[in-house]
Amino acid sequence: AAGVIQSPRHLIKEKRETATLKCYPIPRHDTVYWYQQGPGQDPQFLISFYEKMQSDKGSIPDRFSAQQFSDYHSELNMSSLELGDSALYFCASRLLGGHNEQFFGPGTRLTVL
Amino acid sequence: AQTVTQSQPEMSVQEAETVTLSCTYDTSESDYYLFWYKQPPSRQMILVIRQEAYKQQNATENRFSVNFQKAAKSFSLKISDSQLGDAAMYFCAYRSSTYDNAGGTSYGKLTFGQGTILTVHP
Repeated sequence: AAGVIQSPRHLIKEKRETATLKCYPIPRHDTVYWYQQGPGQDPQFLISFYEKMQSDKGSIPDRFSAQQFSDYHSELNMSSLELGDSALYFCASRLLGGHNEQFFGPGTRLTVL
Repeated sequence: AQTVTQSQPEMSVQEAETVTLSCTYDTSESDYYLFWYKQPPSRQMILVIRQEAYKQQNATENRFSVNFQKAAKSFSLKISDSQLGDAAMYFCAYRSSTYDNAGGTSYGKLTFGQGTILTVHP
């Protein structure tokens, strides 16, 4: 079965650079979520999209922005990168509905030097 | 806002033995979902088991079962016949039901606990 695809899997950037993370949800899933997991920490919700519209927002820095495109893939854009942005970034997708599960992608590991 | 607390940073168990991981949560909602996720060294998030708050029966998935105490807001995970492959970080997570308390649509973000590292000794 198709899974959530994230690219790139690893990314190394310098401070103050920008980064773009991509997420391709499972076909027919209408909701995408982004989470940030710092070293030794639990995943923190950043932002979600339902049917290409922002549906919920968590602790996402103003330096970050995201969108969902017409083909339902989503991109997380991160600017003015800081050392503290080094983390594992997960994308998850789901078909909205009470009993439906979120499926996680493998994550993108971002390292800021 | 909902909070999830895992008070056990680390747990260990002997292979073939049973271990219980604890989780408590705080919410004012009456309908919600609770989950246990496993995160092995690969860092992939793997759903282990889920519980719907409106169901009184505890969920079971093979060697994994939960003890859901709604009034106490407690949701523990029991792993029976532990295997070396069970070694991982385990996260408890909360998700609102379709509608939040204000009647608005809940889009299903997950709120995670701090995690418990499980070590399995051969």
